[in-house]
Amino acid sequence: QMQLQESGPGLAKPSETLSLTCTVSGGPISRSNYYWAWIRQPPGKGLEWIGSVFYKGSTYYNPSLKSRATLSVDTSKNQFSLKLTSVTAADTSIYFCARQSPILHSVDNWGQGTLVTVSS
Amino acid sequence: QSALTQPASVSGSPGQSITISCTGTTSDVGAYNYVSWYQQHPGKAPKLMIYDVTERPSGVSNRFSGSKSDNTAFLTISGLQAEDEADYYCSSFTTTTTWVFGGGTKLTVL
Repeated sequence: QMQLQESGPGLAKPSETLSLTCTVSGGPISRSNYYWAWIRQPPGKGLEWIGSVFYKGSTYYNPSLKSRATLSVDTSKNQFSLKLTSVTAADTSIYFCARQSPILHSVDNWGQGTLVTVSS
Repeated sequence: QSALTQPASVSGSPGQSITISCTGTTSDVGAYNYVSWYQQHPGKAPKLMIYDVTERPSGVSNRFSGSKSDNTAFLTISGLQAEDEADYYCSSFTTTTTWVFGGGTKLTVL
Protein backbone atom coordinates (compact mmCIF):
# COMPACT_ATOMS: atom_id res chain seq x y z
CA GLN A 1 0.00 0.00 0.00
CA MET A 2 1.48 3.30 -1.11
CA GLN A 3 1.84 6.08 1.41
CA LEU A 4 2.29 9.77 0.70
CA GLN A 5 3.92 12.32 2.99
CA GLU A 6 4.14 16.07 2.47
CA SER A 7 7.14 18.08 3.63
CA GLY A 8 8.21 21.69 3.47
CA PRO A 9 8.16 24.97 5.37
CA GLY A 10 5.04 25.73 7.35
CA LEU A 11 5.47 29.46 6.84
CA ALA A 12 5.95 31.55 3.72
CA LYS A 13 6.25 35.30 3.33
CA PRO A 14 3.98 37.28 1.01
CA SER A 15 5.32 37.58 -2.56
CA GLU A 16 7.72 34.67 -2.03
CA THR A 17 7.58 31.12 -3.42
CA LEU A 18 5.97 28.25 -1.53
CA SER A 19 7.74 24.93 -2.09
CA LEU A 20 6.43 21.54 -0.99
CA THR A 21 7.56 17.98 -1.63
CA CYS A 22 5.60 14.75 -1.45
CA THR A 23 7.53 11.55 -0.78
CA VAL A 24 5.88 8.36 -2.01
CA SER A 25 6.67 5.09 -0.25
CA GLY A 26 5.50 1.53 -0.85
CA GLY A 27 6.02 1.54 -4.59
CA PRO A 28 7.57 3.40 -7.51
CA ILE A 29 6.04 6.70 -8.51
CA SER A 30 6.05 5.43 -12.10
CA ARG A 31 3.68 2.56 -11.30
CA SER A 32 0.46 1.94 -13.18
CA ASN A 33 0.12 5.28 -14.89
CA TYR A 34 -1.03 7.16 -11.82
CA TYR A 35 -1.16 10.92 -11.84
CA TRP A 36 0.18 12.76 -8.79
CA ALA A 37 -1.75 15.75 -7.55
CA TRP A 38 -1.70 18.66 -5.15
CA ILE A 39 -4.98 19.72 -3.55
CA ARG A 40 -5.39 22.45 -0.97
CA GLN A 41 -7.93 23.44 1.63
CA PRO A 42 -8.03 26.85 3.32
CA PRO A 43 -8.79 26.46 7.04
CA GLY A 44 -12.50 25.78 7.47
CA LYS A 45 -13.18 25.85 3.72
CA GLY A 46 -13.50 23.48 0.78
CA LEU A 47 -11.06 21.57 -1.40
CA GLU A 48 -9.34 23.07 -4.41
CA TRP A 49 -7.43 21.06 -7.02
CA ILE A 50 -4.11 22.75 -7.81
CA GLY A 51 -2.73 20.46 -10.48
CA SER A 52 -1.56 17.01 -11.48
CA VAL A 53 1.65 15.60 -12.90
CA PHE A 54 2.47 12.31 -14.64
CA TYR A 55 5.80 10.63 -13.90
CA LYS A 56 6.91 11.30 -17.46
CA GLY A 57 6.43 15.02 -16.88
CA SER A 58 3.09 16.01 -18.41
CA THR A 59 1.20 18.45 -16.23
CA TYR A 60 -2.29 19.89 -15.81
CA TYR A 61 -3.10 22.96 -13.74
CA ASN A 62 -6.07 24.77 -12.28
CA PRO A 63 -6.44 27.84 -14.54
CA SER A 64 -7.52 29.94 -11.56
CA LEU A 65 -3.94 29.89 -10.25
CA LYS A 66 -2.89 31.90 -13.30
CA SER A 67 0.38 30.08 -13.98
CA ARG A 68 1.73 30.55 -10.44
CA ALA A 69 1.90 26.79 -9.86
CA THR A 70 4.56 24.39 -11.16
CA LEU A 71 4.52 20.65 -10.53
CA SER A 72 7.44 18.32 -11.13
CA VAL A 73 8.47 14.71 -10.51
CA ASP A 74 11.80 13.24 -9.37
CA THR A 75 11.58 9.51 -10.05
CA SER A 76 15.06 8.89 -8.60
CA LYS A 77 13.83 10.11 -5.20
CA ASN A 78 10.25 8.85 -5.65
CA GLN A 79 9.01 12.37 -5.00
CA PHE A 80 6.91 15.01 -6.65
CA SER A 81 6.86 18.71 -5.86
CA LEU A 82 4.83 21.90 -5.94
CA LYS A 83 6.11 25.42 -6.34
CA LEU A 84 3.64 28.28 -5.97
CA THR A 85 4.99 31.75 -6.71
CA SER A 86 3.94 35.20 -5.52
CA VAL A 87 1.97 33.88 -2.56
CA THR A 88 -0.48 35.98 -0.60
CA ALA A 89 -2.50 35.38 2.56
CA ALA A 90 -5.16 33.79 0.35
CA ASP A 91 -2.76 30.90 -0.27
CA THR A 92 -2.78 29.96 3.42
CA SER A 93 -4.10 26.41 3.34
CA ILE A 94 -3.62 22.79 4.23
CA TYR A 95 -1.83 21.32 1.23
CA PHE A 96 -2.48 17.66 0.43
CA CYS A 97 -0.47 15.57 -1.98
CA ALA A 98 -2.48 12.78 -3.54
CA ARG A 99 -2.56 9.96 -6.05
CA GLN A 100 -5.04 10.05 -8.91
CA SER A 101 -6.04 6.70 -10.32
CA PRO A 102 -6.54 6.62 -14.12
CA ILE A 103 -8.90 3.68 -13.64
CA LEU A 104 -11.02 5.14 -10.87
CA HIS A 105 -10.84 8.67 -12.34
CA SER A 106 -10.51 9.94 -8.80
CA VAL A 107 -8.09 10.49 -5.94
CA ASP A 108 -7.67 7.17 -4.20
CA ASN A 109 -4.78 7.91 -1.87
CA TRP A 110 -4.05 11.08 0.14
CA GLY A 111 -1.22 12.38 2.26
CA GLN A 112 -2.09 13.63 5.72
CA GLY A 113 -1.76 17.27 4.66
CA THR A 114 0.51 20.07 5.77
CA LEU A 115 -0.51 23.56 6.85
CA VAL A 116 1.25 26.41 5.13
CA THR A 117 0.64 29.88 6.48
CA VAL A 118 1.49 32.96 4.41
CA SER A 119 2.41 35.81 6.71
CA SER A 120 5.12 38.41 7.14
CA GLN B 1 -13.40 27.15 -13.49
CA SER B 2 -16.29 27.35 -11.03
CA ALA B 3 -16.74 25.00 -8.10
CA LEU B 4 -19.55 22.50 -8.29
CA THR B 5 -22.61 23.48 -6.23
CA GLN B 6 -23.47 21.52 -3.11
CA PRO B 7 -25.84 22.35 -0.25
CA ALA B 8 -23.92 23.76 2.69
CA SER B 9 -25.49 21.36 5.15
CA VAL B 10 -27.84 18.40 5.45
CA SER B 11 -29.01 16.48 8.48
CA GLY B 12 -30.79 13.29 9.36
CA SER B 13 -31.54 11.00 12.25
CA PRO B 14 -29.87 7.62 12.79
CA GLY B 15 -31.37 5.01 10.51
CA GLN B 16 -32.73 7.53 8.03
CA SER B 17 -31.50 8.20 4.49
CA ILE B 18 -30.14 11.47 3.16
CA THR B 19 -29.14 12.65 -0.30
CA ILE B 20 -26.54 15.28 -1.15
CA SER B 21 -26.67 16.95 -4.56
CA CYS B 22 -23.76 18.19 -6.65
CA THR B 23 -24.64 20.45 -9.57
CA GLY B 24 -22.25 21.28 -12.36
CA THR B 25 -22.46 21.96 -16.07
CA THR B 26 -22.24 20.22 -19.42
CA SER B 27 -18.48 20.80 -19.19
CA ASP B 28 -17.96 18.72 -16.07
CA VAL B 29 -20.63 16.63 -14.32
CA GLY B 30 -22.73 16.35 -17.46
CA ALA B 31 -19.80 15.58 -19.74
CA TYR B 32 -18.47 12.33 -18.31
CA ASN B 33 -19.30 9.68 -15.73
CA TYR B 34 -16.23 10.72 -13.78
CA VAL B 35 -17.86 12.05 -10.62
CA SER B 36 -16.43 11.01 -7.29
CA TRP B 37 -17.40 11.65 -3.67
CA TYR B 38 -15.15 12.09 -0.65
CA GLN B 39 -15.81 11.95 3.07
CA GLN B 40 -13.71 14.13 5.38
CA HIS B 41 -13.74 13.98 9.15
CA PRO B 42 -12.31 16.95 11.08
CA GLY B 43 -8.54 17.12 10.96
CA LYS B 44 -8.29 14.20 8.57
CA ALA B 45 -7.56 13.75 4.89
CA PRO B 46 -10.52 13.08 2.62
CA LYS B 47 -11.48 9.47 1.87
CA LEU B 48 -12.82 8.24 -1.46
CA MET B 49 -16.37 6.90 -1.07
CA ILE B 50 -17.72 6.78 -4.63
CA TYR B 51 -16.01 6.93 -8.04
CA ASP B 52 -17.30 6.94 -11.61
CA VAL B 53 -20.70 8.17 -10.34
CA THR B 54 -21.89 4.86 -8.90
CA GLU B 55 -18.90 2.68 -8.00
CA ARG B 56 -17.76 1.95 -4.43
CA PRO B 57 -14.11 1.28 -3.63
CA SER B 58 -13.34 -1.89 -1.74
CA GLY B 59 -14.10 -1.47 1.96
CA VAL B 60 -16.71 1.28 1.62
CA SER B 61 -20.09 0.41 3.10
CA ASN B 62 -22.91 -0.38 0.67
CA ARG B 63 -24.96 2.19 2.60
CA PHE B 64 -23.25 4.72 0.33
CA SER B 65 -24.51 5.00 -3.23
CA GLY B 66 -24.19 7.44 -6.09
CA SER B 67 -26.21 8.47 -9.10
CA LYS B 68 -26.38 11.18 -11.74
CA SER B 69 -29.00 12.95 -13.79
CA ASP B 70 -27.87 15.36 -16.50
CA ASN B 71 -25.60 17.92 -14.81
CA THR B 72 -26.34 16.88 -11.22
CA ALA B 73 -24.81 14.04 -9.25
CA PHE B 74 -26.16 12.64 -6.01
CA LEU B 75 -24.73 10.86 -2.99
CA THR B 76 -27.19 8.87 -0.91
CA ILE B 77 -26.39 7.51 2.52
CA SER B 78 -28.90 5.03 3.87
CA GLY B 79 -29.21 3.77 7.43
CA LEU B 80 -27.45 6.84 8.80
CA GLN B 81 -24.96 6.18 11.57
CA ALA B 82 -23.23 8.57 13.95
CA GLU B 83 -19.89 7.86 12.25
CA ASP B 84 -21.26 9.23 8.97
CA GLU B 85 -21.20 12.76 10.42
CA ALA B 86 -18.55 14.49 8.32
CA ASP B 87 -18.02 16.85 5.41
CA TYR B 88 -18.71 15.45 1.95
CA TYR B 89 -17.21 16.73 -1.30
CA CYS B 90 -18.02 15.86 -4.87
CA SER B 91 -15.49 16.15 -7.68
CA SER B 92 -15.63 15.88 -11.46
CA PHE B 93 -13.25 15.64 -14.37
CA THR B 94 -13.84 18.41 -16.91
CA THR B 95 -13.68 18.85 -20.66
CA THR B 96 -10.58 21.04 -20.26
CA THR B 97 -8.62 18.20 -18.64
CA THR B 98 -8.88 19.64 -15.17
CA TRP B 99 -10.59 18.59 -11.96
CA VAL B 100 -13.11 20.58 -9.97
CA PHE B 101 -14.49 20.05 -6.47
CA GLY B 102 -17.79 21.03 -4.94
CA GLY B 103 -17.93 23.47 -2.07
CA GLY B 104 -18.64 20.71 0.44
CA THR B 105 -21.65 19.64 2.50
CA LYS B 106 -21.64 19.24 6.25
CA LEU B 107 -23.67 16.21 7.30
CA THR B 108 -25.07 16.28 10.81
CA VAL B 109 -26.48 13.12 12.34
CA LEU B 110 -29.11 14.28 14.82
